[in-house]
Amino acid sequence: DAKTTQPTSMDCAEGRAANLPCNHSTISGNEYVYWYRQIHSQGPQYIIHGLKNNETNEMASLIITEDRKSSTLILPHATLRDTAVYYCIVRRGYGGSQGNLIFGKGTKLSVKP
Amino acid sequence: EADIYQTPRYLVIGTGKKITLECSQTMGHDKMYWYQQDPGMELHLIHYSYGVNSTEKGDLSSESTVSRIRTEHFPLTLESARPSHTSQYLCASSEPDRVEQYFGPGTRLTVT
Repeated sequence: DAKTTQPTSMDCAEGRAANLPCNHSTISGNEYVYWYRQIHSQGPQYIIHGLKNNETNEMASLIITEDRKSSTLILPHATLRDTAVYYCIVRRGYGGSQGNLIFGKGTKLSVKP
Repeated sequence: EADIYQTPRYLVIGTGKKITLECSQTMGHDKMYWYQQDPGMELHLIHYSYGVNSTEKGDLSSESTVSRIRTEHFPLTLESARPSHTSQYLCASSEPDRVEQYFGPGTRLTVT
């Protein structure tokens, strides 16, 4: 599975957009990019995923570069409750052990008033 | 909204005791998982199940065992707790052909 690289930590002002980058330069054609977050020792929460097209849902937007070697998770108007560790995970399709997630260290996002 | 429950939320127990951490979900998901996470550290998959009567070991070796007799229930057991088992244990579930997992609130275990 492709390895991901994320910054250890980031700060964002409340009300501003938070842009969290992720590098996955060895991603293969059938691997998806998934984003989860974990708010202070709670269980992780699924945010969004994509293959090659940009995706948007009620929580966030996911921008994947054309070569698919990097992506950015965008929280359009960050609030204090968005302070969490954000995980970028690349996985190969669905089903079997290939559907299991491997969580790295993630990015600790701190939203400040 | 995901419905996955874990009990107890917090447990402090002495060395040598047998413990069972409960996990149940009401979504009818076939696939379930157990993760272990030390404070400030990464989550590690220790067990998973594809469905009833299926159990598999995860990426991190664990002295715990699991069982899956009912779809909605995936308990984790430690036969003899040790201080090295002190950690947070998180349960999750997913539909069999989906990677999105829904997590419970976790059980924080302390073994004294």
